[in-house]
Amino acid sequence: EIVLTQSPGTLFLSPGERATLSCRASQSVSSSYLAWYQQKPGQAPRLLIYGASSRATGIPDRFSGSGSGTDFTLTISRLEPEDFAVFYCHQYGRSPWTFGQGTKVEIK
Amino acid sequence: QVQLVQSGAEVKKPGASVKVSCKASGYFFTGYYMHWVRQAPGQGLEWMGWINPNSGDTNYAQKFQDSVTMTRDTSISTVYMEMRRVRSDDTAVYYCAREGAIAVAGPFDYWGQGTLVTVSS
Repeated sequence: EIVLTQSPGTLFLSPGERATLSCRASQSVSSSYLAWYQQKPGQAPRLLIYGASSRATGIPDRFSGSGSGTDFTLTISRLEPEDFAVFYCHQYGRSPWTFGQGTKVEIK
Repeated sequence: QVQLVQSGAEVKKPGASVKVSCKASGYFFTGYYMHWVRQAPGQGLEWMGWINPNSGDTNYAQKFQDSVTMTRDTSISTVYMEMRRVRSDDTAVYYCAREGAIAVAGPFDYWGQGTLVTVSS
C-alpha cells in the first residue's frame, strides 16, 4: 500500500501568512491521483484539490496544489481566519486508497 | 444539488453488529462509486472500501474483509455499510463519500455528514 507522510504535524501561523504543507508518498502516485481535503472540527472533510493541482468547485484561488511522483505540496497563499483546520492528502490511484495522517494549521 | 444523508448515531455492545445507511440524492445514483471512510476520535481518516451501486461489486480494505459488508438498494438510492462483531476500537465516525468521476479514478467530492458509532459495554 502507498503510505502518505505529511509534514509538519502542526503549523502555527497568523492570518495573512503563507502556509506550505507537504505530502510524501512511499511510491509514485499514479497519474497524479492525489487530492487534498480540509476538515474542521465536527465536520466532514471538504475536497480542495484533486489531480495534484486542480481546484475543486468553489475553492478560492488562494489554495493551490503542486507536485508529482512522490512529492506533493498544498499552499495557502494568504491565510484567512476560516482556513485554520486540519488538512489531509489522499491518493486514489491505487487500491487500497490511503490518507496522510494530517497537518493541523493553528493560529499563532 | 448532490446530498448524502446518513443514518443517526448508534451505540452498540462489543460483539454486536451495526448497519449505517447513506441516502444519495441530486445525481445519477448508479453512475458513481461510493466509498466508506472512518475516523476514530481525534485520529485521521481510514479508507474502508467501496461499492459500485450499479453492479453491487465491492472492494474492501484488507483489514475489513471479514467484518464489513457494503450493499445498496437502487430503488431508494441508498448504500449500506454493515460491520459485524464490533469492538471498542471500532468506535468512530463513519462517512460515506462519493467518488467524483466516471470511468476513471476520482477524488471524494461529496461526503455524508458522518455517523458516530460508539462501542461500549
